[in-house]
Amino acid sequence: QKEVEQNSGPLSVPEGAIASLNCTYSDRGSQSFFWYRQYSGKSPELIMSIYSNGDKEDGRFTAQLNKASQYVSLLIRDSQPSDSATYLCAVNLMDSSYKLIFGSGTRLLVRP
Amino acid sequence: GAVVSQHPSWVICKSGTSVKIECRSLDFQATTMFWYRQFPKQSLMLMATSNEGSKATYEQGVEKDKFLINHASLTLSTLTVTSAHPEDSSFYICSAPWGLAWEETQYFGPGTRLLVL
Repeated sequence: QKEVEQNSGPLSVPEGAIASLNCTYSDRGSQSFFWYRQYSGKSPELIMSIYSNGDKEDGRFTAQLNKASQYVSLLIRDSQPSDSATYLCAVNLMDSSYKLIFGSGTRLLVRP
Repeated sequence: GAVVSQHPSWVICKSGTSVKIECRSLDFQATTMFWYRQFPKQSLMLMATSNEGSKATYEQGVEKDKFLINHASLTLSTLTVTSAHPEDSSFYICSAPWGLAWEETQYFGPGTRLLVL
């Protein structure tokens, strides 16, 4: 059973702080990793994708990938109340199905 | 990024009726689309993979006769919930992959909220 694990939270940070979200995955052959943001009652929205070891930055978001340790993280700098949402980590299955395996999500709460 | 639409966004129906949900890729073609279901405060659950021109692939535990999927064109997949019951009330979301080779990413539709009375 291929799995993606996330702490369900809630992770509570003050406005302006750095929020750190973590994810581990079981399939060592996975090559593509994604972070989605889901607001309550809405569908997931792609935030970041990462394919190589190291860091990838996009605005206030930085994704970090360590394939040897099988973990992916998402850092949100200068957190804003509007960042309060559930963040889903997703990993691509390396077969022909193009399926994504999702973690259960981490709920982030940014306190004003 | 790619745009995926769903219709309707909301549907309320009586128990025993059938409901059809459409998923469209607006600016790209998708030979594969995915259907998910999400109950309140739970994560996404993949129901099935919709394949253009062939049968859908259902995940374990999903009744293929209850959730009929048709992918008749490269831009449209439909999910029909047959003989809906209150326990089928949920948030149904489709997605379609788009991008180059292994950098392909799934883009989600806005979702359809189904309430069965």
